[in-house]
Order: sequence, then structure tokens, then C-alpha cells
Amino acid sequence: NAGVMQNPRHLVRRRGQEARLRCSPMKGHSHVYWYRQLPEEGLKFMVYLQKENIIDESGMPKERFSAEFPKEGPSILRIQQVVRGDSAAYFCASSFYESSYNEQFFGPGTRLTVL
Amino acid sequence: KNQVEQSPQSLIILEGKNCTLQCNYTVSPFSNLRWYKQDTGRGPVSLTIMTFSENTKSNGRYTATLDADTKQSSLHITASQLSDSASYICVVSASRGGNKLVFGAGTILRVKS
Repeated sequence: NAGVMQNPRHLVRRRGQEARLRCSPMKGHSHVYWYRQLPEEGLKFMVYLQKENIIDESGMPKERFSAEFPKEGPSILRIQQVVRGDSAAYFCASSFYESSYNEQFFGPGTRLTVL
Repeated sequence: KNQVEQSPQSLIILEGKNCTLQCNYTVSPFSNLRWYKQDTGRGPVSLTIMTFSENTKSNGRYTATLDADTKQSSLHITASQLSDSASYICVVSASRGGNKLVFGAGTILRVKS
């Protein structure tokens, strides 16, 4: 059973370009979470999705950022018109249940660098 | 404001020695507290999960304690190994729906031979 997979592992973009980050949850998991980690800081919650639904996007900037988790395929975190401040590590996690006690399994992260 | 604070920020110990990492939180309502290990360049991996009714939980050489009254937790590592070098992150989950986790900034542990 493969773990949570993220790609690409490293992504370099110039200011103004779009960044697309992909996350494939563990087999059987239908809950996906995205987190951002700035250098020297802890992970910050961005968005929580279930299949085809955004459940909580309270941690995601209102502009330029969007997320989806389609019925088929991976979850996508999209950042439009990237700026230097978007440079960070973006982690995806997945879980089987929704309950607050459930285990979240993290992927290896995508390191975004904006030039 | 929901916050998780960890200390020390970084720590260097000799292989074989023990160490204790601290975590204070102000997350409310409280559901559970987790300790994660994050190796450089990798995602966090869960070590322990404790609810408010659990005072201590062990996972091999890792022992976590929780005092829900004072809102403090500690992670004790015994007989440290070089492979323990990593960032140790305290994470608190609020019981309100959405499964949102609040992360501490982590303690960077380096084990030297």
C-alpha cells in the first residue's frame, strides 16, 4: 500500500506563472488536507477536501489559490500568478475517517521556489 | 488564538543520552495532541496521539506525556540514536469539525556521535 504521493517534489516558477501541485492520497482515503510550511515555521493548515467537495478552506488565501479533489485523479493545489512569498514547502495529508482523532498520513511535500 | 509553542527551538545531544522536549498549547476546544517526527526533506510521521484522558503514551524509545489541566506535553527520548536527528513537532487538534490541526514550529534535535 503506497503512502501519500506528491509531485513534483521540487518546482521552480518565475513570478507571475502558475504552479500546480498534485497529491495522491493513500488507497482508500477520501479526505485530503493541504498544509504550507514556510522556512523556520510550523506547518499551517490551508484546506480540507473530500471527494469533489471543499470542506474547509479557511486557511487558504482568498486570491490566487484554489484546490480541488475530483472524483477521479489526484487532488490539485493551484497557485496562480505566483509571487516570491509563495516559496514554501507544501504538504498534503490524507485520512480514512473524518473524526478529529484519526491519523493523517503526510506526503513528502512539494518544495516551490519562485524566482 | 489557537497556538502551540515548543521548546527548546533546537537541541544537540550525544548519542545514547536522553532528552525531553516541551510543548505548551492554547488550542480550544481540545481534542487530542500528537507528536510527529519530521526528517529533513520529508513529511511528518506520527509518533503518538493522546486524548485529554491519557497522561502518557509510549512508542518504543519515545514517551509522550500530557497534562490537560496545564495544557502542557512533553516528549521524552531515551537512549538516543543518530537516526533520531530530526524536527519533532507538537500538533494539537481542536474537537470542532474539520479535523484542523495546529502545528508547533518544532524542536530540531541533532544527535552527535
